[in-house]
Amino acid sequence: GAGVSQSPSNKVTEKGKDVELRCDPISGHTALYWYRQSLGQGLEFLIYFQGNSAPDKSGLPSDRFSAERTGGSVSTLTIQRTQQEDSAVYLCASSLDGGGDTQYFGPGTRLTVL
Amino acid sequence: AQSVTQLGSHVSVSEGALVLLRCNYSSSVPPYLFWYVQYPNQGLQLLLKYTSAATLVKGINGFEAEFKKSETSFHLTKPSAHMSDAAEYFCAVSEAGNTPLVFGKGTRLSVIA
Repeated sequence: GAGVSQSPSNKVTEKGKDVELRCDPISGHTALYWYRQSLGQGLEFLIYFQGNSAPDKSGLPSDRFSAERTGGSVSTLTIQRTQQEDSAVYLCASSLDGGGDTQYFGPGTRLTVL
Repeated sequence: AQSVTQLGSHVSVSEGALVLLRCNYSSSVPPYLFWYVQYPNQGLQLLLKYTSAATLVKGINGFEAEFKKSETSFHLTKPSAHMSDAAEYFCAVSEAGNTPLVFGKGTRLSVIA
């Protein structure tokens, strides 16, 4: 079946611009996660959605970062007023349920902020 | 708080040799443990996971890992390395319940012909 998809695969933007990154999870998966992968910081958790519960935003690095998940499916990660340190690969994952279930990862979006 | 330490950012082995990638974790409750592999320009793919069943876990591509509570370790092994095993490997931990993964820094495996 279809896996997790993310778009765009690559995004180049100028410092100060806003960007939106999209994630389509596996159909039927209730949990959705965003992670960031960068050379200096490795893989970091950003935000987690589980069903209709309030999202866990504890990993968001600043208030310039936000995410929403519409209809319990597609999610959008928005970065406002991008900075060069936001350059990274943003990975989305989904799992059937939370806690211990296998997380299936998308291919990621490579963000470059000039 | 959970944490994962992967010893060795880069491991190089000869084709056919044993692969051993080390992972130690810290968790205040019984953990769930995972190994993921990442090939260049691709996402993460699950190799295997431990969720409190058998302590020796077998995964895909001939990899296995053993959970040792006394050593807080979850090392990844493969008896005989193939060229296709060259990739980056990440160990991760999550606690029971709805928590995200905490990853180690990763180990890049090179396989020499």
